[in-house]
Parts: sequence; structure tokens; C-alpha cells
Amino acid sequence: DTGVSQDPRHKITKRGQNVTFRCDPISEHNRLYWYRQTLGQGPEFLTYFQNEAQLEKSRLLSDRFSAERPKGSFSTLEIQRTEQGDSAMYLCASSFGGAFSGANVLTFGAGSRLTVL
Amino acid sequence: KQEVTQIPAALSVPEGENLVLNCSFTDSAIYNLQWFRQDPGKGLTSLLLIQSSQREQTSGRLNASLDKSSGRSTLYIAASQPGDSATYLCAVTGNQFYFGTGTSLTVIP
Repeated sequence: DTGVSQDPRHKITKRGQNVTFRCDPISEHNRLYWYRQTLGQGPEFLTYFQNEAQLEKSRLLSDRFSAERPKGSFSTLEIQRTEQGDSAMYLCASSFGGAFSGANVLTFGAGSRLTVL
Repeated sequence: KQEVTQIPAALSVPEGENLVLNCSFTDSAIYNLQWFRQDPGKGLTSLLLIQSSQREQTSGRLNASLDKSSGRSTLYIAASQPGDSATYLCAVTGNQFYFGTGTSLTVIP
């Protein structure tokens, strides 16, 4: 297991199109997080899963965004009817035990950069 | 809601200098604090994690301290090198992970 993998690394799309990102976490990690990061800003929380259950969603996650983790392993983040404001780096991270665990280390993937024209 | 602030936003130092990056947070009810490094266009790499019961952690030339009561953490980098140039982010964990906006560090050869 080489870490958290994200695909695709780069996506350029036209406004109004749908896009889907995939994240494969570290296999023994039960928690998976999605963050969005724009230039010069820190990552903003979008949502997280514990196993297959989606436990929290940010208000940033509008109705056009949906995330799934159907078997508690990989996750997908879909953006429907993309807008130029969706252009950002979408980061996936995983951890074991969750935020309430003091020894919980968050491991990030390399990110998927979305450009909406 | 937890607010995380990092000062300074940018820092430029000559090679070999020791430096300190600051992170402050508004809610002291955290489980741990993690420092990350991010290179341009890349994901985040974990540097150090300090559990809420700990005061500091060290890894090589890096030392991170945590003062929960005052809502502060510092990342100390000794004998800085050009390869240390990156953005450094701190994140605190409560219900989920809250990030600061980062400090962009440039080490000049």
C-alpha cells in the first residue's frame, strides 16, 4: 500500500458538465475525508466517511456535490453542473480511528485539480 | 466553530537561519494538532503530530510545541535549507480537522 491515491490528477471541463473524482485510501484506514483547496488558502472540509457511512457534510457541499463510499474502501466525489467557482484542488485524506483519536494521523493524497472553463 | 490562524503568511530567510512558525486556534478542546508541508501544486505531507496530552514533538530539524490552554502551537525549523521552501500548514482536530491558511516559507541559498 503506497498511500492515498487520487484520480484523475487534473481535469479540465466546460461549465455545466459533470465530473467525478476517485480516492483510494490507505487500506487499513476506516475514515476518509474530502477537502477543497483554492490558491493561497488552507484546505476546507467538505465531508467525511467512517467506513461506508457519511458522518458529516459541510455547508460548502451544495446540492450539486455528492460523495459516496459504497463498500467502505474507495470513495467518489461527483460535481454536477460544474461552475467556474468549483475550480480548485480536491484533496482526499484518510486516517485510522477518526478525529477523536489523539494518535490519529491524517494522510493526504496528491489531489485532483479541477479547472472549469 | 474552530478558527485556526497562522502567522506570518509568508516568510523569507537566508539559508542556515533558525525560524519559528506560529499557529493559533480558538477552541482549546482539541484532540491533537498536526503540522503539514505542502509543495506547490501537491498534496499535504504530514510532518509532526502532537497529541493533546503532549507538549512537543521532534523530528530531525523540526520541533513542534503545543500549549492548549493558550491555543497556540509553534513549529521550529533549525538550520533552514533551500529544500525547506514550501507552505507549512497546521491542523487541529475536534469534530474534524480544521486547517489554517498556511505560512509560505522561502529559504534563500
